[in-house]
Amino acid sequence: QSALTQPASVSGSPGQSITISCTGTSSDVRDYNYVSWFQQHPGKAPKLIIYDVITRPSGVSLRFSGSKSGKTASLTISGLQTEDEAHYFCSSYTSRSTRVFGGGTKVTVL
Amino acid sequence: EVQLLESGGGLVQPGASLRLSCAASGFSFSYYGMSWVRQSPGKGLEWVSSINDGGETINYADSVMGRFIISRDNSDNTLYLQMNTLRTEDTALYYCARDSWFTPDSWGQGTLVTVSS
Repeated sequence: QSALTQPASVSGSPGQSITISCTGTSSDVRDYNYVSWFQQHPGKAPKLIIYDVITRPSGVSLRFSGSKSGKTASLTISGLQTEDEAHYFCSSYTSRSTRVFGGGTKVTVL
Repeated sequence: EVQLLESGGGLVQPGASLRLSCAASGFSFSYYGMSWVRQSPGKGLEWVSSINDGGETINYADSVMGRFIISRDNSDNTLYLQMNTLRTEDTALYYCARDSWFTPDSWGQGTLVTVSS
């Protein structure tokens, strides 16, 4: 159950767009459209912001969007805002009926 | 409003046991699968275990297989995690989460488990 691979950090200026990648294997990301993304601010519980690769839960900003190509899923944050500074984790369902998370990406707003 | 309140964490020695509870409210507990996810201090998230709505289908991470047992009481809206033979590497904040299909869509605030001699 190796973790999904995410960059340790990504940064951008206010108003810019950034993209976080999440690379898995043929046993998880590639074969299942059950990729999710979570936002976590310091000292807080994770919050679901994308599920089923591309779907935003009610109340989540339209600035967050998800996609997938092969073994790599991506989260794009458009119009970066200071409140977007947080850690972001991806997750996928796997062929063993388990779940696997990425190592997390710290987003810094410059 | 979905509320998940974890309890039962604490400081224990290696080899000890601990039972975590998660009291659920604000939704029809018996209709949803549930999961435990943990986060070591300053580290990422690690999925621990999941159980389906009826309790018949259970899965575990390799790291806890054979030591941890997930269960639920739908009459009491409570999720449990029995943790046996605890190791120092089990030290983490343990979150209870509601599953919507294969996604944890709501999370509690967590309960801290520290395994240390």
